[in-house]
Amino acid sequence: EAQVTQNPRYLITVTGKKLTVTCSQNMNHEYMSWYRQDPGLGLRQIYYSMNVEVTDKGDVPEGYKVSRKEKRNFPLILESPSPNQTSLYFCASSPYGHRVLATDTQYFGPGTRLTVL
Amino acid sequence: AQKITQTQPGMFVQEKEAVTLDCTYDTSDQSYGLFWYKQPSSGEMIFLIYQGSYDEQNATEGRYSLNFQKARKSANLVISASQLGDSAMYFCAMRESGGSGTYKYIFGTGTRLKVLA
Repeated sequence: EAQVTQNPRYLITVTGKKLTVTCSQNMNHEYMSWYRQDPGLGLRQIYYSMNVEVTDKGDVPEGYKVSRKEKRNFPLILESPSPNQTSLYFCASSPYGHRVLATDTQYFGPGTRLTVL
Repeated sequence: AQKITQTQPGMFVQEKEAVTLDCTYDTSDQSYGLFWYKQPSSGEMIFLIYQGSYDEQNATEGRYSLNFQKARKSANLVISASQLGDSAMYFCAMRESGGSGTYKYIFGTGTRLKVLA
């Protein structure tokens, strides 16, 4: 089954304790992205990756790191989480890395609800 | 300035009636894509419809159509014959150039639609 998986789905942690949220897609997609969703703010792009070893900052990259060593995986790393990073996080992927007008959409993972105390 | 504006935080519609969800966007690019997504209470993101900036005809997908008015920079979603299952949060999004051959996504803050029996 074609899908984007995220782990964990739920996480409660404490300020300053490093964590990684994994994201994996099995569709050989070039483009992968991380979003956070907060009430009243919609989804905001944190980082995106056009292909392996190519990553770029989105609108809200502060406090986050990513890496794209393999095409299928795009982990989100919070080196020192803070309470303002409490949010719902989505990973997404889409087939083409260099086509703004491609008709393909993003495929979203199920989301990871993170609480930082 | 907001790049994607959804001015209706919440809306009600009677079952079987049509409803229009507003979306205006702001970009200086000539090439861009516009998307609508549905997020039910279960949390997943469901792709509904896509419109490319050069598409001359409005996109349609079943009961969903996108009223694309390029000069006004609006991309309103029209849902015909509303069903109870249409109750959800709806997000408008734009894919535009992120510079240097990349592209990024920008989402609106969403409209919560409630369909009344």
